[in-house]
Amino acid sequence: EAGVAQSPRYKIIEKRQSVAFWCNPISGHATLYWYQQILGQGPKLLIQFQNNGVVDDSQLPKDRFSAERLKGVDSTLKIQPAKLEDSAVYLCASSHPGQPFEQYFGPGTRLTVT
Amino acid sequence: ELKVEQNPLFLSMQEGKNYTIYCNYSTTSDRLYWYRQDPGKSLESLFVLLSNGAVKQEGRLMASLDTKARLSTLHITAAVHDLSATYFCAVGGMYGGSQGNLIFGKGTKLSVKP
Repeated sequence: EAGVAQSPRYKIIEKRQSVAFWCNPISGHATLYWYQQILGQGPKLLIQFQNNGVVDDSQLPKDRFSAERLKGVDSTLKIQPAKLEDSAVYLCASSHPGQPFEQYFGPGTRLTVT
Repeated sequence: ELKVEQNPLFLSMQEGKNYTIYCNYSTTSDRLYWYRQDPGKSLESLFVLLSNGAVKQEGRLMASLDTKARLSTLHITAAVHDLSATYFCAVGGMYGGSQGNLIFGKGTKLSVKP
């Protein structure tokens, strides 16, 4: 079974530029999560989707971050404009309806904002 | 606000020795997770503990949960170099009303030396 796919794996941008990350969850996984992991810290949930609906986006900085999952499969996370403090690894995870407690993480996208 | 504290944050062990990592959390939860993260890699699920007194073992790692004390432990038996990684605990469940709202600790960076 293929795992959670993310791209790009690395991205370097200047502050005030915009960037987008893509995630393809494991087939059949209805729930999709985006986490931000700053160096030296544990991941922090940004947004959770159930199919194409948002379940929890309480920690998403909505003035600059946006996310969508239009067809209930792939998802994109966008930052516009980026700030230096957005430098982090952005992790996508997914879970199956029958096993909601098991989250499977993708390899992550490492973002550096200069 | 739910807080998750791990200690120690850094652990240098000799091969063959035993040690325990502790995870304390501040409010009621019915789910506790342990993940492993290798440098530059994503998170790998180790254990999901769902009830008070739950104990799970995999190889040289054993995790337990005491919901009354709000404490989970990850015990390492006869450490080997391959166990060198960062270990995260995460708490979820009742807090936040969302099954996906995992709160992670800062992680314990384990280094096993010959």
